[in-house]
Amino acid sequence: GEDVEQSLFLSVREGDSSVINCTYTDSSSTYLYWYKQEPGAGLQLLTYIFSNMDMKQDQRLTVLLNKKDKHLSLRIADTQTGDSAIYFCAEKASGNTPLVFGKGTRLSVIA
Amino acid sequence: GAVVSQHPSWVICKSGTSVKIECRSLDFQATTMFWYRQFPKQSLMLMATSNEGSKATYEQGVEKDKFLINHASLTLSTLTVTSAHPEDSSFYICSARERTGYQPQHFGDGTRLSIL
Repeated sequence: GEDVEQSLFLSVREGDSSVINCTYTDSSSTYLYWYKQEPGAGLQLLTYIFSNMDMKQDQRLTVLLNKKDKHLSLRIADTQTGDSAIYFCAEKASGNTPLVFGKGTRLSVIA
Repeated sequence: GAVVSQHPSWVICKSGTSVKIECRSLDFQATTMFWYRQFPKQSLMLMATSNEGSKATYEQGVEKDKFLINHASLTLSTLTVTSAHPEDSSFYICSARERTGYQPQHFGDGTRLSIL
């Protein structure tokens, strides 16, 4: 079945860029998403990318997609302490199927 | 943006009690809603998918008689944990799919259920 893998932890200094990586196995993925979860809260949709795109930029967020390698990344520029959270990568196949989530990457920002 | 409202946010109750959690899409219609369970420091575990007006589809290992799901309208789904026991204590999150181009799932803020 489908699988999404992420590294579990990332620690960066305030002001640096953060890069969170994700790999997936489903070649029929149509959309890929990044969600942010703060402690005790639900998931907030940060951004998404369609599978035929290579890159998408939205303010401090840049998503890169390498479809050949099935690799997705999220770059956060000028990382702030408020960016500390768990970031989930998710992919969606065609049809009305649920998202498949990675285990989440815990980002810690050091002041 | 699309908002999903989930209530209650926190429930503490005695063992044997049944608990109902509501999930509403406030500004969009959701033909499909999803219910997840999340254990501490772990990812989301999909429990079931519910489509408006039809029976929910449960994931393997999830007891449908224990976790009753009703999706009676395009904006409301409910999860009832029947005769809850301490092992049912968890963080439950609902999600609603918006019928727009990139079909995002929007999430509620979750319900922390503690069974004494």
